[in-house]
Amino acid sequence: KAGVTQTPRYLIKTRGQQVTLSCSPISGHRSVSWYQQTPGQGLQFLFEYFSETQRNKGNFPGRFSGRQFSNSRSEMNVSTLELGDSALYLCASSLASGTLYEQYFGPGTRLTVT
Amino acid sequence: QKEVEQNSGPLSVPEGAIASLNCTYSDRGSQSFFWYRQYSGKSPELIMSIYSNGDKEDGRFTAQLNKASQYVSLLIRDSQPSDSATYLCAVSNYQLIWGAGTKLIIKP
Repeated sequence: KAGVTQTPRYLIKTRGQQVTLSCSPISGHRSVSWYQQTPGQGLQFLFEYFSETQRNKGNFPGRFSGRQFSNSRSEMNVSTLELGDSALYLCASSLASGTLYEQYFGPGTRLTVT
Repeated sequence: QKEVEQNSGPLSVPEGAIASLNCTYSDRGSQSFFWYRQYSGKSPELIMSIYSNGDKEDGRFTAQLNKASQYVSLLIRDSQPSDSATYLCAVSNYQLIWGAGTKLIIKP
């Protein structure tokens, strides 16, 4: 079974621009969660989508948004990029939303904002 | 505030020895517990999940859960240099809370 895929793998953007990252979950998985990881902050939860609905949201500004499509693929968008948005963005999929379900991570998208 | 605490390390263990990684959590209602391994520059990889008190073994890895004391641990037997990584503990009660990770170094 194919794993979680994320595109693009690497991205360089300029301050003020916007960016869209894509995530395709494991086949049959309906929940997708997004995380930001930086060396100093560890894994920070952005949001979770299940059946095209945002189920949970972390403590990030409104510049960070996401959506999920009917085939469970998900995108996240960051508008008006800031230098501090440079990070590894990880997508994780699970069978469903809830306590018992294991999350499996994609390889991540490394975003550099200059 | 729900918290998951891990010693940041680095924890240095000789090759062939047992590495013991610990994690404590604050939410008594937590129901699911996960250990992930993350190599530098890579994404986290699920190693073990445990849902009930006691031990769960998978190869060289053993997860131990004690809900009364609110801790979960991961033992790695016969440690290998390839086990050198950061180990993340995650605890869930309808919301997954992550620890900051323990960096493990296995010395040949």
